Amino acid sequence: GIQVEQSPPDLILQEGANSTLRCNFSDSVNNLQWFHQNPWGQLINLFYIPSGTKQNGRLSATTVATERYSLLYISSSQTTDSGVYFCAVEGVSGGYNKLIFGAGTRLAVHP
Amino acid sequence: DGGITQSPKYLFRKEGQNVTLSCEQNLNHDAMYWYRQDPGQGLRLIYYSQIVNDFQKGDIAEGYSVSREKKESFPLTVTSAQKNPTAFYLCASSSGQESYNEQFFGPGTRLTVL
Repeated sequence: GIQVEQSPPDLILQEGANSTLRCNFSDSVNNLQWFHQNPWGQLINLFYIPSGTKQNGRLSATTVATERYSLLYISSSQTTDSGVYFCAVEGVSGGYNKLIFGAGTRLAVHP
Repeated sequence: DGGITQSPKYLFRKEGQNVTLSCEQNLNHDAMYWYRQDPGQGLRLIYYSQIVNDFQKGDIAEGYSVSREKKESFPLTVTSAQKNPTAFYLCASSSGQESYNEQFFGPGTRLTVL
């Protein structure tokens, strides 16, 4: 089945710093989503980005489908950015189409 | 407000009991999903449904059951056959269309077996 690897697994930043999170996937995928899981467990949709580049405020994402990776950029980080960032790809695995999650990047932003 | 609701937020169960987790959406989505998340890990698919009255097993369906009698509702029953049911359960929905199938998630239910 499709494998999704996220790096780094953990990241500690000072408020105001920039960061790049990476997601590698092992096969062709239909779609790719980035999520932020807040401390209460809620998964918040950040980007739906099967290819290309999108920006939303301080966050932007780029997916290069032909090279099987996606990057999430966080600029001028704030303490509210803390939490876990998940990449998930939609592809065929186990005989059916499904969303496959990476293990996440745990981000802690300190004031 | 359009969205996905899950209830209850917290659930405690004694060993040997079945419990049912509720998931409702008013996004007019055809597809609905149940995921399980264990501490420090990503999400794993339990069951999914592409349309009313139809559903398929995901990667970890053993010990769980679902129904899809209405488009808006996709309840999950955790049976006594599930060996390690303590986890965070998340419900999601999407349009189900191949061209655009973004999944949106509910707030989750934390199940603890005492």
